[in-house]
Amino acid sequence: NAGVTQTPKFRILKIGQSMTLQCTQDMNHNYMYWYRQDPGMGLKLIYYSVGAGITDKGEVPNGYNVSRSTTEDFPLRLELAAPSQTSVYFCASSYRDTNQPQHFGDGTRLSIL
Amino acid sequence: AQKVTQAQTEISVVEKEDVTLDCVYETRDTTYYLFWYKQPPSGELVFLIRRNSFDEQNEISGRYSWNFQKSTSSFNFTITASQVVDSAVYFCALSEAFVYFGTGTSLTVIP
Repeated sequence: NAGVTQTPKFRILKIGQSMTLQCTQDMNHNYMYWYRQDPGMGLKLIYYSVGAGITDKGEVPNGYNVSRSTTEDFPLRLELAAPSQTSVYFCASSYRDTNQPQHFGDGTRLSIL
Repeated sequence: AQKVTQAQTEISVVEKEDVTLDCVYETRDTTYYLFWYKQPPSGELVFLIRRNSFDEQNEISGRYSWNFQKSTSSFNFTITASQVVDSAVYFCALSEAFVYFGTGTSLTVIP
């Protein structure tokens, strides 16, 4: 039972490069989320999705894009990476809505140099 | 303004001591949910408990207990007889349109 799987676990990017963080879940959850975690700042919501084909902005969406073509997958795209995007990124999913417990992936540690 | 405040940034206790982690939240909703998550040194986030705004009963699960008080907008978490394995960062969270996390309390249990 895989749960929420994120790839890659670590990545170093140069300023201006682009990349996609992959997230997939096998629990048939409708809701999926992307968070970033910065030291001492807790988790901040970047984007979320309530189902395939529907996405919406969270607290800190600038510099990111998402898509949700299937229930299982919710990739996060960074365009023109900047040092301020150095962070740990977590993908999560929940059944039905935000009032349900969220299941998290193991995180992706991203450094922009 | 921070919707969830965890004023204790770091706490250290000696093993077997009791410790309480504070959480204060702010919301105008009458219906909402509160959560606690644990992030051990390995980095993953693990769900511990969920509470809805209509249920103010305290909850106990083994060495863990939670005290929810709407009058003070607090949802505190107590670990009784702490163990080294309890060392982690603990996050309190509030669900409105989406989930707001506090900044976390880093707990170190010293053997």
